[in-house]
Amino acid sequence: QKEVEQNSGPLSVPEGAIASLNCTYSDRGSQSFFWYRQYSGKSPELIMFIYSNGDKEDGRFTAQLNKASQYVSLLIRDSQPSDSATYLCAVSMNYGGSQGNLIFGKGTKLSVKP
Amino acid sequence: ETGVTQTPRHLVMGMTNKKSLKCEQHLGHNAMYWYKQSAKKPLELMFVYNFKEQTENNSVPSRFSPECPNSSHLFLHLHTLQPEDSALYLCASSQESGQPYSYEQYFGPGTRLTVT
Repeated sequence: QKEVEQNSGPLSVPEGAIASLNCTYSDRGSQSFFWYRQYSGKSPELIMFIYSNGDKEDGRFTAQLNKASQYVSLLIRDSQPSDSATYLCAVSMNYGGSQGNLIFGKGTKLSVKP
Repeated sequence: ETGVTQTPRHLVMGMTNKKSLKCEQHLGHNAMYWYKQSAKKPLELMFVYNFKEQTENNSVPSRFSPECPNSSHLFLHLHTLQPEDSALYLCASSQESGQPYSYEQYFGPGTRLTVT
């Protein structure tokens, strides 16, 4: 059973701090890794994706991937109350013809306090 | 605003009813997906269509029947559902090709389904 694990939280950080969200996955053959943000009552929206080991930065967001440890993380710098949402980690297993299929974690709820 | 639309946004149906959910994408994508999102559970992939062909059926009960008439439209036909089928049903789309890496999926707003 291919799994993606996330701490459900809630993770509470003060405004302006760095929020660190973590995700582990079970399948070593995983190729692609995504972070989605989901506000309450809304659909998920993609905020970052990463394919290679190391860091990828986009504005206040940094995704980090360590395939040897089967670990992917999302750092949010200068956290704002508007970042309060559930963050979903998703992993693509890419086998056979099923490219593009994602396995999601349960999500981590982030709360940024003013 | 997302390029993926879903109708209806809310649906209440009895266990003996037949209804359909509709999804339309305006992004020129080739792949479309149905997901189920229940409380306290991860998003569950239900069906995948690539170039109108179903390529994945994730052990979904037959009371859910997908239809993809073209790359822009996707339907989910519902019949004799159970109360535990109450959930948010999300449609998504993406590019699809023979490349080894996945393309990001864009989600619609979802249909909140309640089965009474």
